[in-house]
Amino acid sequence: QVQLVQSGSELKQPGASVKVSCKASGYTFTTYSMNWVRQTPGQGLEWMGYISANTGNPIYAQGFTGQLVFSWDTSVNTAYLQISSLKPEDTAVYYCARDAKMVHFDHWGQGTLVTVSS
Amino acid sequence: QSVLTQPPSVSAAPGQKVTISCSGSSSNIGNNYVSWYQQLPGTAPKLLIYDNTERPSGIPDRFSGSKSGTSATLGITGLQTGDEADYYCGTWDNRLSAGVFGGGTKLTVL
Repeated sequence: QVQLVQSGSELKQPGASVKVSCKASGYTFTTYSMNWVRQTPGQGLEWMGYISANTGNPIYAQGFTGQLVFSWDTSVNTAYLQISSLKPEDTAVYYCARDAKMVHFDHWGQGTLVTVSS
Repeated sequence: QSVLTQPPSVSAAPGQKVTISCSGSSSNIGNNYVSWYQQLPGTAPKLLIYDNTERPSGIPDRFSGSKSGTSATLGITGLQTGDEADYYCGTWDNRLSAGVFGGGTKLTVL
């Protein structure tokens, strides 16, 4: 069965960087784009962008450009989200989600809580 | 401020029916498929409806989706206490070239 397993919670100081991983299993990794979605405490879902299955190129949502790097290592079926220059307002749960078709996210990781605090 | 508009909360008694609306525009709902997600407390979102009306395997037929013009609706019949969750609509926005979600609706089963 399809599974997306994310790395554990992180506590970071302002200005630091964090790298979240999302290990996929149960399907051919490169046949689905991998999206990233943010959920700040008590708030809704915010689409961050995706890494394209077709090209392997990252696509970033406006407002995140410059702060994010999406990547994947197809040898270990793992997608990565790197966030730089962290601010307290980046404190959130970050989800990876497999994209079957344009915001048709059929499988989600369990989420990774990133806390930014001094 | 979300691109898609949902009511913040809805409530109904066990066994009753509830609908949750999702309003958008021609650049998103009007020209793209809508998905619906259920997020139980403390868990990741789960796909409930895709392509406006389709249910993934394992989703009971108590859950239904519809779309008309620039609005979509999620219906839940035979409400159970286990349905208490946040529900989100989502779609692609052609003008923004971005995925967009509604602000979420909290369902309370009284």
